[in-house]
Amino acid sequence: GAVVSQHPSWVICKSGTSVKIECRSLDFQATTMFWYRQFPKQSLMLMATSNEGSKATYEQGVEKDKFLINHASLTLSTLTVTSAHPEDSSFYICSARSGLATDEQFFGPGTRLTVL
Amino acid sequence: QKEVEQNSGPLSVPEGAIASLNCTYSDRVSQSFFWYRQYSGKSPELIMSIYSNGDKEDGRFTAQLNKASQYVSLLIRDSQPSDSATYLCAGGPWDKLSFGAGTTVTVRA
Repeated sequence: GAVVSQHPSWVICKSGTSVKIECRSLDFQATTMFWYRQFPKQSLMLMATSNEGSKATYEQGVEKDKFLINHASLTLSTLTVTSAHPEDSSFYICSARSGLATDEQFFGPGTRLTVL
Repeated sequence: QKEVEQNSGPLSVPEGAIASLNCTYSDRVSQSFFWYRQYSGKSPELIMSIYSNGDKEDGRFTAQLNKASQYVSLLIRDSQPSDSATYLCAGGPWDKLSFGAGTTVTVRA
């Protein structure tokens, strides 16, 4: 149980274009999903917390107009990187909290974004 | 000061030995602590969660939490080459986990 998928697993795009990443909880309903970014040799940095049916909460320093998050259902959250630039190239990972009875977060496989 | 700090490693242990990983945290109100394993190029995989003081064992893994000392550790017994990975310590309130920088473990066959 507690399986989280992400799509795509990797994407290469041109500078100035937008990229959408999907995060799905496959076998449970996730009221809360989280989006992280990880640069090479660094740890995970929380970008935003996504709650179903409400606006995402962004961490300090993360531009909400650049990283659009939508959590339209209990099993799907999307992250759209708008007007991507080479410095946005990173490993983007979502996680989902499996339920109210536990604080455990389960991670998706991640999406490697390369902006040319 | 970082919220979660890990002994940076890298840590190299022979196969069959015990690998010991340590983590300290600065926020006294943190309630939830986790150890994740991350293979190169992959996303983190949950190994253990611990919420109360003391030891928690799961197979070859034992997590220890000491809230008074703000310290959490992970022991890997009978280390196997497949345990070679980066181990991330995470702690905090459930809605804002802080992750340590990770400790890279190499198990020598």
